[in-house]
Amino acid sequence: LAKTTQPISMDSYEGQEVNITCSHNNIATNDYITWYQQFPSQGPRFIIQGYKTKVTNEVASLFIPADRKSSTLSLPRVSLSDTAVYYCLVGGEYNFNKFYFGSGTKLNVKP
Amino acid sequence: DAEITQSPRHKITETGRQVTLACHQTWNHNNMFWYRQDLGHGLRLIHYSYGVHDTNKGEVSDGYSVSRSNTEDLPLTLESAASSQTSVYFCASSEKNTGELFFGEGSRLTVL
Repeated sequence: LAKTTQPISMDSYEGQEVNITCSHNNIATNDYITWYQQFPSQGPRFIIQGYKTKVTNEVASLFIPADRKSSTLSLPRVSLSDTAVYYCLVGGEYNFNKFYFGSGTKLNVKP
Repeated sequence: DAEITQSPRHKITETGRQVTLACHQTWNHNNMFWYRQDLGHGLRLIHYSYGVHDTNKGEVSDGYSVSRSNTEDLPLTLESAASSQTSVYFCASSEKNTGELFFGEGSRLTVL
C-alpha cells in the first residue's frame, strides 16, 4: 500500500504559480500518480495523472522525476477559486482500489 | 450528460436503525466505490465493486454492506447505525483501472 506525504497546508496569492510536492517513496512499478481537488461539501474531482516525466493539461502540470519517489503538482496563476484541498494518490492497474487519500494539502489563495 | 448521483444528500437517524444510501451512475462504469470522510480527514475506502455481483471490503468495512445487482447502482447499507458512523459518504465510479474516479456530491449522515 503506497502511502503519500504532502504538506498539510499552503498559502498563496492570486496570480502566483503554486507547486505542491508529494512524496511516495514506496511507489510500485505499475503505479500511476494521480491528483484530485476537493472543494468544501463536494466530492473530489480528478485533476491530472501521470506515470513519468511531465504531463500537462488545461488546468495543471505534473512533474515526476526519474526515480518517481516524488511528484509536483503545478497550478499556474492561481485564483481565489483554486482554494481547495489537493490530494496526491498513488496506485495503478492492479491495486487502484487501495488508493490512500490521506489528509491532502489545504491550499489557501489570498487576494 | 452522464453522471453519478447520491441520495439522500442529508439523513438523520437514530442509533440501531438500518440505513441505506443510494448511488446511481449513468456512465456504465464497471467499478464503483464507497468512501467516508470525517471532519478534517481524507477519504477512507469502505467497499468497492468491479462489476455485477462482485463486492469487496475496503479499509473500514465493519458495520457496512453493499450489493451490486446491476451496473448502475451500488447501495451502501448500515445494518445497525452507530454514532461512530456519523460522516459524509461519497460514492465514486471508474472505467479504467488507473485511478480516474468520478465522485458523487456526497451524503451527510448523522446518527443520534
